[in-house]
Amino acid sequence: GESVGLHLPTLSVQEGDNSIINCAYSNSASDYFIWYKQESGKGPQFIIDIRSNMDKRQGQRVTVLLNKTVKHLSLQIAATQPGDSAVYFCAETSLYSGYSTLTFGKGTMLLVSP
Amino acid sequence: DAMVIQNPRYQVTQFGKPVTLSCSQTLNHNVMYWYQQKSSQAPKLLFHYYDKDFNNEADTPDNFQSRRPNTSFCFLDIRSPGLGDAAMYLCATSRDRDGGALKQYFGPGTRLTVT
Repeated sequence: GESVGLHLPTLSVQEGDNSIINCAYSNSASDYFIWYKQESGKGPQFIIDIRSNMDKRQGQRVTVLLNKTVKHLSLQIAATQPGDSAVYFCAETSLYSGYSTLTFGKGTMLLVSP
Repeated sequence: DAMVIQNPRYQVTQFGKPVTLSCSQTLNHNVMYWYQQKSSQAPKLLFHYYDKDFNNEADTPDNFQSRRPNTSFCFLDIRSPGLGDAAMYLCATSRDRDGGALKQYFGPGTRLTVT
């Protein structure tokens, strides 16, 4: 069967709380970042993206913050709901260095209790 | 709705018995990707097609092959599955490979079990 997987970092919150999921990226040349949400047994689903010429971008209930100085990305989810329970991955790439592919971070499991 | 479709959703194969997973897309995207994802890990890129141009990742085993007969379809062939190949296999597409077209859209995945 499958090899034993690593334990994912887990964030447990109560419904209604704000959640902050962090991601450290490795490549200083990366200039485009995406957050994906992956529910159990499903493929990753796009949440929000940000380019390196921005520090902050807001979507519906989600905000992504980018700190290029320390190569750190965060995803903030406002008023977290049980349906937000999933694994969240950040992904990085370089938009304009020839062709490029996404490099995924390790992932964080978000558990929302009612 | 435009989407990425993977069939089957669950596949069981025997050790050493070739298996093919399929992916189709209605997005008319140029690029199609195959990822392997093991439990509690990030997706790992195996290879991608840019139109008909095949691009293999350096560490993808020779046991994994792919075919893209047309824009809409892409197949993952595992020639001799081992127990270590049991995983979720994800197909994704993107409109292009650079610029703002790099955002990838994922299918629901095929869960492969090797007995």
